[in-house]
Amino acid sequence: GQNIDQPTEMTATEGAIVQINCTYQTSGFNGLFWYQQHAGEAPTFLSYNVLDGLEEKGRFSSFLSRSKGYSYLLLKELQMKDSASYLCAVTDSNYQLIWGAGTKLIIKP
Amino acid sequence: IAGITQAPTSQILAAGRRMTLRCTQDMRHNAMYWYRQDLGLGLRLIHYSNTAGTTGKGEVPDGYSVSRANTDDFPLTLASAVPSQTSVYFCASSDGSGDGTDTQYFGPGTRLTVL
Repeated sequence: GQNIDQPTEMTATEGAIVQINCTYQTSGFNGLFWYQQHAGEAPTFLSYNVLDGLEEKGRFSSFLSRSKGYSYLLLKELQMKDSASYLCAVTDSNYQLIWGAGTKLIIKP
Repeated sequence: IAGITQAPTSQILAAGRRMTLRCTQDMRHNAMYWYRQDLGLGLRLIHYSNTAGTTGKGEVPDGYSVSRANTDDFPLTLASAVPSQTSVYFCASSDGSGDGTDTQYFGPGTRLTVL
């Protein structure tokens, strides 16, 4: 079967750095997305990785290792507004998007 | 303002009733999608449409139907609602062929409760 694993919940301190991991077992791979979803709101696009390595976009970076079936989202200089759920999604060999259940990130002052 | 709108925002529905959730986008995107989101589960695709006039089944299509008469609108119909269809429903669109590599843009969601 196809599976996306993320931690259910993480807690971090304002101003710190946090890494949210995502591992996947899918039938093939055609890209990996990270979305942010604030409580009661719609998911919004953060990043897309299709090649191995690190993609940096301001305070957010996303890393991919296709051989390990692994990605992480790195958030630096955490702000209270970063409190949200972070969704990992993988495009499989059939070009279907498979979603993880999301990681709820709680930021404390 | 460009984007996706959904209606209603929320709805309480008696089991057995028919319900249509509306979704409209003004970005001229080819592909549109309907998802449901339940606590502890990832987004699950119900139905999708890669272009106007065509639709396809996703992971959990049973009990739902869709139509895509034009580019902008993609309504989702529950023919006879059941309590297990209580969920938050998101409509999304993408500017591409809908092959799963496009960035998807989501509407604000409809919170549906079936009693």
